[in-house]
Amino acid sequence: QVQLVESGGALVKPGGSLRLSCAASGFTFSDYYMTWIRQPPGKGLEWVSSIGSNSAYTNYADSVRGRFSISRDNAKNSVYLQMNSLRAEDTAVFYCARGDTDLGYWGQGTLVTVSS
Amino acid sequence: DIQMTQSPSSLSASVGDRVTITCRASQSISTSLNWYQQKPGKAPKLLIYAASSLQSGVPSRFSGSESGTDFTLTISSLQPEDFATYYCQQTYITPYTFGQGTKLGIK
Repeated sequence: QVQLVESGGALVKPGGSLRLSCAASGFTFSDYYMTWIRQPPGKGLEWVSSIGSNSAYTNYADSVRGRFSISRDNAKNSVYLQMNSLRAEDTAVFYCARGDTDLGYWGQGTLVTVSS
Repeated sequence: DIQMTQSPSSLSASVGDRVTITCRASQSISTSLNWYQQKPGKAPKLLIYAASSLQSGVPSRFSGSESGTDFTLTISSLQPEDFATYYCQQTYITPYTFGQGTKLGIK
């Protein structure tokens, strides 16, 4: 069965960096776009970034462009989100999801807290 | 960016009720509209894609429709497990924006 497992969330100080990982299994990972979505505590959902199946395509929300970088390793069935220059407003649960438009499978999420 | 406005923000209903949630796009998005259900502490679940296509495994009491820039999610007969927050999302153009959510509670 399809499984997505995020990791890497932590408490980090403003200006700091963090790398999130999402390990996929149960499907042919290299066939699918992958997406990161975030949700601040008690708030709604925000699309963050997507990456194409062979990494040729990447796209970012304006709120993270230039600070976050999405990548993938098809040999390891994993997608990553490198987050730099973190701000308090980046505090959220980060989910990875399969696909870029129809997000039919999601991970359980990993919490990123940006606070001094 | 395309703005997605959901209404109502919250509503209360009873088991067996017919419930309708609306999402309005700030511009034309064709039928590029998904609906998600989220329960507390859980990841969202895709219910409807392309405005009216039912995701595999989702009960047929859920349906979606479109009229111009207005989209509707209907639950024909509420079940206890349907009490949750519902989000629409446009996938016409990035950033793929979400509505603010509709919290469906028990009356």
